Parts: sequence; C-alpha cells; structure tokens
Amino acid sequence: DVKVTQSSRYLVKRTGEKVFLECVQDMDHENMFWYRQDPGLGLRLIYFSYDVKMKEKGDIPEGYSVSREKKERFSLILESASTNQTSMYLCASGGSWDNEQFFGPGTRLTVL
Amino acid sequence: GNSVTQMEGPVTLSEEAFLTINCTYTATGYPSLFWYVQYPGEGLQLLLKATKADDKGSNKGFEATYRKETTSFHLEKGSVQVSDSAVYFCALSPAGAGGTSYGKLTFGQGTILTVHP
Repeated sequence: DVKVTQSSRYLVKRTGEKVFLECVQDMDHENMFWYRQDPGLGLRLIYFSYDVKMKEKGDIPEGYSVSREKKERFSLILESASTNQTSMYLCASGGSWDNEQFFGPGTRLTVL
Repeated sequence: GNSVTQMEGPVTLSEEAFLTINCTYTATGYPSLFWYVQYPGEGLQLLLKATKADDKGSNKGFEATYRKETTSFHLEKGSVQVSDSAVYFCALSPAGAGGTSYGKLTFGQGTILTVHP
C-alpha cells in the first residue's frame, strides 16, 4: 500500500519559533509538494520539489522554506512562525509522467 | 493563469438523493482534470480523473465528464450514502504530463457534502 507520512498530526508552537514539518514517501516519486489548506480557499501550493536538492516556489512561499536532501523526504520550514501560519499543512508526492498526487494525512499547526 | 471554480457549499442531502457538484476551469490547452475527496481527519485521495475532452472518469458510483466546450467537469452520483459525507475538491493539471509542469495541481476551494440518513 502506497504511503505518504507526515511527522505530526497536531502541533502547537509559539510566535517566533522555528518549525519543521517533515514528509516521507515510499513510492520513489520524483515530485513532492507542500500545500496549506484553509476553509474557503482550498489547497494552495507553498513549494514543490522535482528532484533531490531541487525546489521551486509555489503560489504562497513567503515565510516558508523547504529542504529535500533525500528523494523520499521533503521538509517544510517556518523560519519564524506567525499566527497567520496557523493552518492545515498537507504533503503530497507524484511521479514525473502521471499527474496523480498522493497525499499524507496532514498536520494541523496552531501558532499562538 | 489556471483556475478552478467549484459550486459553493455546504451541500446537505438525504441518503439516496442525486448529487451534482459543479466545477468549471480556466486553462490553456487541454489540462487533465481531477476530483479528490477528503474524508474527516484524513488527507486527500483521488476519486476520479479525465485526461482528454469527452473522457468520463468514474469510481465508487461517482462520475464526471470532461467538457471542453463548457470548460466543466461536474461531479455526479445517482444515490448518495452517509459514508459519502466528505469534502470534494476539483483540480486541474496543466496540459501534458511531466515536463515542466511537474504534475502541479490547481485546486478549487472545496465543497463540503453532508448526507443524512
């Protein structure tokens, strides 16, 4: 059974903290994605990676960075968490020649 | 740029009712179209997809037809069940798999469906 796992289901952090969200996939996919999900806004792409150490900005990259040191792992970093980054964060992976994406269960992050 | 517009929710139905969730898109060329479903407490999972005009995607009793002339991909089910209660997302991927699109998806805002017994 294919799987995308995320390091935490729920996370509570304080304003100004550095936050790491990790995602691991076991499907040998080239592409990995980080989204945030907010009510009424759907999913918005933060960053994606199409190969190890390769990354590109999505639609809302401000306040975030990413790291992909190994093919199976893609990390989202909030350099200095702010209350407007309280959200559900979803990781996904996909192959190069098939547009289907597989999603993790999500991390609900609350920044106080 | 690309965009996807879904009918506003929430949608509330009784069991065995007919379901339609409208989805229209804006994109150049021939994008691939998807419906994803998110059950409570879970991530998204692919429900169905269509990759060219007039294709019909189907799964678990749900259907959607890729209509290029109306730029639409409406989701339908003849008889909904309580277990269909979830959030449904319409999405598109730019024309051509792989390449510089990298399989990126543009999502609609999601439609919450609640089915009562």
